[in-house]
Amino acid sequence: AQSVTQPDIHITVSEGASLELRCNYSYGATPYLFWYVQSPGQGLQLLLKYFSGDTLVQGIKGFEAEFKRSQSSFNLRKPSVHWSDAAEYFCAVVAYSGTYKYIFGTGTRLKVLA
Amino acid sequence: DSGVTQTPKHLITATGQRVTLRCSPRSGDLSVYWYQQSLDQGLQFLIQYYNGEERAKGNILERFSAQQFPDLHSELNLSSLELGDSALYFCASSASGGVVPDTQYFGPGTRLTVL
Repeated sequence: AQSVTQPDIHITVSEGASLELRCNYSYGATPYLFWYVQSPGQGLQLLLKYFSGDTLVQGIKGFEAEFKRSQSSFNLRKPSVHWSDAAEYFCAVVAYSGTYKYIFGTGTRLKVLA
Repeated sequence: DSGVTQTPKHLITATGQRVTLRCSPRSGDLSVYWYQQSLDQGLQFLIQYYNGEERAKGNILERFSAQQFPDLHSELNLSSLELGDSALYFCASSASGGVVPDTQYFGPGTRLTVL
């Protein structure tokens, strides 16, 4: 069955430190992968997506993610975290089951220390 | 701003009542998706409409129903409300109907509180 796993429920980093949020997926065919961010009380904002091509994807707000087929992973990275990055981050895979549907991970809540 | 609008932003009601949540998709998008986000269940897909027709169903309760109108806005109707229905309800829109994978754009959500 298709699934997305975000192993870290909470992550705390200091401002200026680097960040990596993990995402593993289970899907037999070519995956279409997304990262969204949800600030408190807000909707989900698209950070970046991977459909095909270059496996290193650049997104908004200085984020990037790397698709690694051999590891079934799509980890999100940022070289230097800002306090405003504190939010919840969701990884999603688009899976086909009669129609293309999003399957979301359970999210990783990021806390940034000043 | 994603271009997807949802009203109302907050809704407080009592058990047993019925409410209607409204969503307007981005200009040009034909698909509307409804999701429920609660603390214990995470983000759950409820239902998708494409150009007025139901396209896919997820974990939607029988007490819930939705429709998409000719102007492409959508309404999610929740009836016989229970305490456990308290959640954030998101609407998302996309250009295609799920026949190709494409990007979903999310609205700001409606926070429903059932007392």
